[in-house]
Amino acid sequence: AQSVTQLDSQVPVFEEAPVELRCNYSSSVSVYLFWYVQYPNQGLQLLLKYLSGSTLVKGINGFEAEFNKSQTSFHLRKPSVHISDTAEYFCAVILMDSSYKLIFGSGTRLLVRP
Amino acid sequence: NAGVMQNPRHLVRRRGQEARLRCSPMKGHSHVYWYRQLPEEGLKFMVYLQKENIIDESGMPKERFSAEFPKEGPSILRIQQVVRGDSAAYFCASSPPRRPEVAQYFGPGTRLLVL
Repeated sequence: AQSVTQLDSQVPVFEEAPVELRCNYSSSVSVYLFWYVQYPNQGLQLLLKYLSGSTLVKGINGFEAEFNKSQTSFHLRKPSVHISDTAEYFCAVILMDSSYKLIFGSGTRLLVRP
Repeated sequence: NAGVMQNPRHLVRRRGQEARLRCSPMKGHSHVYWYRQLPEEGLKFMVYLQKENIIDESGMPKERFSAEFPKEGPSILRIQQVVRGDSAAYFCASSPPRRPEVAQYFGPGTRLLVL
């Protein structure tokens, strides 16, 4: 069965420190990969996506992610975080042979401390 | 260009009542998806619709839940005879035609509380 795993439920980090949020997926078919951010009581905002091409993708707010097919991973990174990055981050996939529904991980809460 | 609109933003219902959630996709988008987020959990797919068609309803509970996306007007997610376990945030997303995998744009959600 297809699944998305975000092993870290919460990641505390100090302001201006680097951060990596981990995402692994399991699928028997090729996938498209996404990272979304959710601020409290709001909807989801697309950070970045991987559809094809270069495995390093850059998104909004200084975030980037690298697709590693052999490790079935799509980790999200930022070299220097801000207080305003405190939010819930969701990794998601779309199966290429499916109806385009997003399959989400359980989310990682990024907590940036001053 | 307005984003995905959902209303109401908050909805309180007593057990046994009906809940109707509305979603207006972004202009030019013909694909609509509904997701449910239970407290402290990720989002779970419910249903995928195009105008007047249900494409994939594999995530919909078999009873009490229905969805439609008519030719005119918003998409509606309807929950009949609500129970406390239906309390959740319901998100709608829309995507453009031809390449729906490019991105799904989410609305602000409707937070349903069943008393």
